[in-house]
Amino acid sequence: GQQLNQSPQSMFIQEGEDVSMNCTSSSIFNTWLWYKQDPGEGPVLLIALYKAGELTSNGRLTAQFGITRKDSFLNISASIPSDVGIYFCAGQHSGAGSYQLTFGKGTKLSVIP
Amino acid sequence: EAQVTQNPRYLITVTGKKLTVTCSQNMNHEYMSWYRQDPGLGLRQIYYSMNVEVTDKGDVPEGYKVSRKEKRNFPLILESPSPNQTSLYFCASSSSGGFTDTQYFGPGTRLTVL
Repeated sequence: GQQLNQSPQSMFIQEGEDVSMNCTSSSIFNTWLWYKQDPGEGPVLLIALYKAGELTSNGRLTAQFGITRKDSFLNISASIPSDVGIYFCAGQHSGAGSYQLTFGKGTKLSVIP
Repeated sequence: EAQVTQNPRYLITVTGKKLTVTCSQNMNHEYMSWYRQDPGLGLRQIYYSMNVEVTDKGDVPEGYKVSRKEKRNFPLILESPSPNQTSLYFCASSSSGGFTDTQYFGPGTRLTVL
């Protein structure tokens, strides 16, 4: 199956700091998605990216679809305690009629007040 | 209220005893999917369905079956569960498989196979 490398695996940051995490793939994706999962809940979609080079913001979150279509990053500015959770990247790979979705292993974010 | 429901939420069973985890959505979504989540591995897609009677394999389909006889329901079947299928399972749905629409996740089913 597809391989997605997400880093870092975990982060401890001070409230107010900026955060950056990224995903790289061994193959091309035509859609990149970023999700957040709170404890005991299912993932919630944060940002969706549909073309190479695209830079999209959602409040304090900014994500980019890499030019090579094999990578994406997510930035969180001015972190707050409610940003705590696990962040997942996900990619939909190229292929006619294929809607298979592959997730990264997640970045666990802890915010110290 | 728009939602994806899964039952049961928790299940402990023994090796080889067939089980079904149900998933239902009330949003008339065409696309539904099953994932398993394991520590350190993130979410892995098991099966997905683009519409009634249309299903396809995800990354880890071995040991699982699905069916899509009605648009709202997408049950996950384990014919002969094994301990390596102990996991947290999520069902999800969206209007289309192209992910231009938000994918809604159910609350999860924690399965333990002894």
